[in-house]
Amino acid sequence: AQSVAQPEDQVNVAEGNPLTVKCTYSVSGNPYLFWYVQYPNRGLQFLLKYITGDNLVKGSYGFEAEFNKSQTSFHLKKPSALVSDSALYFCAVRDYNTDKLIFGTGTRLQVFP
Amino acid sequence: DTAVSQTPKYLVTQMGNDKSIKCEQNLGHDTMYWYKQDSKKFLKIMFSYNNKELIINETVPNRFSPKSPDKAHLNLHINSLELGDSAVYFCASRLSGNSPLHFGNGTRLTVT
Repeated sequence: AQSVAQPEDQVNVAEGNPLTVKCTYSVSGNPYLFWYVQYPNRGLQFLLKYITGDNLVKGSYGFEAEFNKSQTSFHLKKPSALVSDSALYFCAVRDYNTDKLIFGTGTRLQVFP
Repeated sequence: DTAVSQTPKYLVTQMGNDKSIKCEQNLGHDTMYWYKQDSKKFLKIMFSYNNKELIINETVPNRFSPKSPDKAHLNLHINSLELGDSAVYFCASRLSGNSPLHFGNGTRLTVT
């Protein structure tokens, strides 16, 4: 079965510093990977996805993610964090056979001024 | 204009009651979903419909019944509410293939 793991419940980073939110995946076949962000009292918003092609994927709000097949990882990154980036971030994988989007447990990003 | 809209935003009710949550999307998407987010923020798919046809039905109690009158609407009816049903329920839609999900802002259900 397809799955994703987010090993960190929370990531703390100072404003202006680079940030990384980790995600590893387990799939049979080609992985279809996504990152979403959830602000308080809101639904999830799509940030970026990897389907095929370049391993470095650029998305919304200056975020990017690097697909690493050998490490089965899809970490979310941003060169310079903003306080407004503080939110809950979800990694997800699409199960092609069942058409389900399966989410990780989420990582809370806290950016301090 | 809100792309995926859910009503109500908050729902407080007593155990044993029956309640409905409505969802509408104006994106022209083919597939709609219901997800449940528990108090630990875990997200779990409940149902999906493609053009009014049930596609995914997870191991959800049969007290939960989705209804899709047309491909722009997917409502969720819950019978005999229980304390454990308290959660945030999200509606979402997707065009097709690997296009991303678009989520509504959620309905916070509290069962007392």
